[in-house]
Amino acid sequence: NAGVTQTPKFRVLKTGQSMTLLCAQDMNHEYMYWYRQDPGMGLRLIHYSVGEGTTAKGEVPDGYNVSRLKKQNFLLGLESAAPSQTSVYFCASSRIRGDTEAFFGQGTRLTVV
Amino acid sequence: LAKTTQPISMDSYEGQEVNITCSHNNIATNDYITWYQQFPSQGPRFIIQGYKTKVTNEVASLFIPADRKSSTLSLPRVSLSDTAVYYCLVGPHNTNAGKSTFGDGTTLTVKP
Repeated sequence: NAGVTQTPKFRVLKTGQSMTLLCAQDMNHEYMYWYRQDPGMGLRLIHYSVGEGTTAKGEVPDGYNVSRLKKQNFLLGLESAAPSQTSVYFCASSRIRGDTEAFFGQGTRLTVV
Repeated sequence: LAKTTQPISMDSYEGQEVNITCSHNNIATNDYITWYQQFPSQGPRFIIQGYKTKVTNEVASLFIPADRKSSTLSLPRVSLSDTAVYYCLVGPHNTNAGKSTFGDGTTLTVKP
């Protein structure tokens, strides 16, 4: 059981380049989330989704776009990367009710130069 | 969203009990309290969740007083492998991880 898988694990981008981070979960969870974590800080919510075809903004959505075309996948896009987006990105998923335990992926370390 | 306040860091020794307190003065009636653990270069991992009084699982205990304005995570007999950052989250039950704020957490260092 893989849980939450993020692709890629590491990436270096030049300023202005674009890229997409992929998150896949195999637990049939309704909710999925994208967070960023800067050094020495907690996680900040970028965008989240409460189901296939739906997305919503979190605390720090500017500069990012997301899509949830399939229930198991949640994509995070950077259209024009900036050095301020250098961070570790975490994806998570959870069930819609019952327990609210969120399962996290291993993270993607992104550096924008 | 309920704002949480935790100590920035704590030190302990192997075998001791560690208590980490989180303040959440503006917790709402339908908010639950959830604690996560994060090791370096890994995603956070769920530890425990509660609404009131006391909750215990195989890893930790969570104590919540009647006014629910604070909570205490208790880790019994810690080991070196418990060195990590611990986050307290407060938010609605069925959208906890989506609507809650992680904050900067408490860095626990366990010494031999």
